Amino acid sequence: EAGVAQSPRYKIIEKRQSVAFWCNPISGHATLYWYQQILGQGPKLLIQFQNNGVVDDSQLPKDRFSAERLKGVDSTLKIQPAKLEDSAVYLCASSLDRGQGSPLHFGNGTRLTVT
Amino acid sequence: AQSVTQPDIHITVSEGASLELRCNYSYGATPYLFWYVQSPGQGLQLLLKYFSGDTLVQGIKGFEAEFKRSQSSFNLRKPSVHWSDAAEYFCAVGPPGGYQKVTFGIGTKLQVIP
Repeated sequence: EAGVAQSPRYKIIEKRQSVAFWCNPISGHATLYWYQQILGQGPKLLIQFQNNGVVDDSQLPKDRFSAERLKGVDSTLKIQPAKLEDSAVYLCASSLDRGQGSPLHFGNGTRLTVT
Repeated sequence: AQSVTQPDIHITVSEGASLELRCNYSYGATPYLFWYVQSPGQGLQLLLKYFSGDTLVQGIKGFEAEFKRSQSSFNLRKPSVHWSDAAEYFCAVGPPGGYQKVTFGIGTKLQVIP
């Protein structure tokens, strides 16, 4: 099966600019996650979708970050305006559902550098 | 609140030597525990998990981990390391119920020397 696809792989922007990342989960996976991985830290969950509804966005900085999954398939994560501290790898993951038997499958991530 | 401590940021081992990566967690009850591996430029891959039952769990690539409730630990082991094991390893803890709401440690970067 095809894995989780993310694009772009790399992005360099200046602070106060906007940026968007795209994720296409594994076909049939109902649950989609966006994680932020800052250098030297473990991944931190930003937002979790179940189909096209938000399950958990408690750690999403909503003043500048937004995410959508309109048709319950692919998803976009946007940052506007970006800050220096947003430099990180943004990982998308998907799972079949939210149950105990549904491991997460991660994409290769988008590395964002904010200058 | 749940938390994970990986005390070793960087470990270097010789190829063929044994490996143990340490992980200590903080959680009010018996948690779900995970080890993930991340190769450079790649996403995370699940190595193994502990949900319940036998405290010694086997994973992929010859890895195993042992849950020790008394020590709040879930250390990862491999008897003989291969050069391809060089990567970053993340321990994670979460509430019972599945793979969601996990907290990751900061990771241990493994270097393998010939």
